[in-house]
Amino acid sequence: DQQVKQNSPSLSVQEGRISILNCDYTNSMFDYFLWYKKYPAEGPTFLISISSIKDKNEDGRFTVFLNKSAKHLSLHIVPSQPGDSAVYFCAATRGGNKLTFGTGTQLKVEL
Amino acid sequence: EPEVTQTPSHQVTQMGQEVILRCVPISNHLYFYWYRQILGQKVEFLVSFYNNEISEKSEIFDDQFSVERPDGSNFTLKIRSTKLEDSAMYFCATTTGEETQYFGPGTRLLVL
Repeated sequence: DQQVKQNSPSLSVQEGRISILNCDYTNSMFDYFLWYKKYPAEGPTFLISISSIKDKNEDGRFTVFLNKSAKHLSLHIVPSQPGDSAVYFCAATRGGNKLTFGTGTQLKVEL
Repeated sequence: EPEVTQTPSHQVTQMGQEVILRCVPISNHLYFYWYRQILGQKVEFLVSFYNNEISEKSEIFDDQFSVERPDGSNFTLKIRSTKLEDSAMYFCATTTGEETQYFGPGTRLLVL
């Protein structure tokens, strides 16, 4: 069951630059998308979300873009900071029910 | 800021033994979920719970699993007879009913 995919298992970015994390989905019934950040041995921490009726949502350094026709969303982090180094999970839901997660992207922000 | 809490943080058990994982939801949250993450894999949905009933369960959530909210505060996941493949991080998540779910820190379960 690969309804939500994150094709890049890892990403390395220099401090101060932009980090772009990508996510694709196959189920057109999904109507809400979320990004979670996860450190080792901790639970996922909610970062930012977007409804399917929007194409962009911004919160401080974090912006999520949604392209419904391509079934693609991305998370932009600008500027990237060393504390952003973590695993980022994309998740999708329909009608506020269970979350379907992607496999995650390990982001490393280097000094 | 209110948080979801989970106990224990780690649990080691022998195959065939029963384990109970506990979660204390954020106080005004009414919808509860259990997820698990096997090492190196993605976070998977197990079960959702609302109004003292299971709302939805995955194919992973077989007869060996059960959930309840025994005292109006704790939300528990019981595995009756653990198997080696039950070794994973188990996460509780809660929400008011909105789409955003808030996760606890997880319980690392190791079945030997």
